[in-house]
Amino acid sequence: AQTVTQSQPEMSVQEAETVTLSCTYDTSESDYYLFWYKQPPSRQMILVIRQEAYKQQNATENRFSVNFQKAAKSFSLKISDSQLGDAAMYFCAYRREMAGANNLFFGTGTRLTVIP
Amino acid sequence: DSGVTQTPKHLITATGQRVTLRCSPRSGDLSVYWYQQSLDQGLQFLIQYYNGEERAKGNILERFSAQQFPDLHSELNLSSLELGDSALYFCASSVDRSYGYTFGSGTRLTVV
Repeated sequence: AQTVTQSQPEMSVQEAETVTLSCTYDTSESDYYLFWYKQPPSRQMILVIRQEAYKQQNATENRFSVNFQKAAKSFSLKISDSQLGDAAMYFCAYRREMAGANNLFFGTGTRLTVIP
Repeated sequence: DSGVTQTPKHLITATGQRVTLRCSPRSGDLSVYWYQQSLDQGLQFLIQYYNGEERAKGNILERFSAQQFPDLHSELNLSSLELGDSALYFCASSVDRSYGYTFGSGTRLTVV
C-alpha cells in the first residue's frame, strides 16, 4: 500500500530565509507522480509543485524547488526567500498510476510558520 | 476561483440526519474525487468517479455514498450523521494524470 510520511508536524522560518520540508513515501510502483500542496488558513488546497518519477531533474517553480531522491523514496520541498504569505500547512502527496484509479495519497502535513 | 465549485460552503445539521454535498468539476475534467479532512488532519480519500463510473474507493463509510451524473457533476450523500462526521469535505477534479488535482473550496460540515 502507498503511504506518505511527513515527519515534521511543525516548522518555522525567518522571513527571507530558506526552509526545507521533508517527505518520504512507500511504493512498489515505478511510475508515479509526487506533489506538494499548500493549505493556507482559508483551507483552500493549492498545488505548489509536481514531480514525475521518471524525470531525474528536480522540479522548480519560482521560489519553490524539490529534492527528489527516487531510490531513497524521498521528496523534500525547499522554499527560498520565505515570505509571510508562505505560512500554511503543506501536504506532500503521491499519485499512483493504476489504470483508471489514480487517487492522491496525502501525508499528514507540516505546519509552516514564517517569522517576520 | 479554481473552477471546481462546491456547494454549500457551510452546513450545520443534527445527528441522525442526511445531507447531500454537490460538486461541479472544472470544464473538461472527467474525474471527480472526494476527500474528507477532519480538524487538523490530513486528507482522507473517499471515492473517485470517472465519466460517471466509480473508479476507486477509499475509506468511505457505508453510510456515505456518491454518484456522478451525465453532466459530470457529483454528489456525496452522508446519512445517519454522527458527531465524528464533522469535517471539511473536498471535491477535486483532474484533467490528466500528470497535472494533479484542482480542488474546490470545500464544504464545512458541522454535526451537532
